[in-house]
Amino acid sequence: LAKTTQPISMDSYEGQEVNITCSHNNIATNDYITWYQQFPSQGPRFIIQGYKTKVTNEVASLFIPADRKSSTLSLPRVSLSDTAVYYCLVGELVGNRDDKIIFGKGTRLHILP
Amino acid sequence: DVKVTQSSRYLVKRTGEKVFLECVQDMDHENMFWYRQDPGLGLRLIYFSYDVKMKEKGDIPEGYSVSREKKERFSLILESASTNQTSMYLCASSFVGASYEQFFGPGTRLTVL
Repeated sequence: LAKTTQPISMDSYEGQEVNITCSHNNIATNDYITWYQQFPSQGPRFIIQGYKTKVTNEVASLFIPADRKSSTLSLPRVSLSDTAVYYCLVGELVGNRDDKIIFGKGTRLHILP
Repeated sequence: DVKVTQSSRYLVKRTGEKVFLECVQDMDHENMFWYRQDPGLGLRLIYFSYDVKMKEKGDIPEGYSVSREKKERFSLILESASTNQTSMYLCASSFVGASYEQFFGPGTRLTVL
């Protein structure tokens, strides 16, 4: 199971673009990259998933280079309400029964006014 | 609107009590998961189930058991609660072909005195 490494915390200011990078050097051919967002006192929320190149939705963009050993979650023009913990996960969409989905500790993003 | 509900938002129990945490999803998902979340440790998987009456151990199953008698319901059982089981418990569900796109409930904050 591919292990991920992401910064423990980041600060940014309202209106800025925020990029959170996740390293996954041991990513396997069938693995996808998934990002979740968790606000205080709530469960995590799926925000984006991708396999290669670029994926964009109404919340974020996900950039994945050709070697797929890292990925970058990009949040455009953040606001105070984007303060949350962001988790990067890597694994097969339909994994083996023995595969454990690992959330890790995530990146605590703090948006300042 | 998809929904995962948990039986209690807050629960206080005494050491040695048997504790039941209930989770219900209305999305006809095959997979269901139980996590616990502690400060500094992130989300850790306790158990998951990919079908009725099926269960798999996660990373920290000790002291817990689970029951899945119906597809929509997944119960977490603390046979004899201990103070080190004081935590936030989160339930999630997903389709079998989308294990990494999980929908989370609001969580149950359990305090064991």
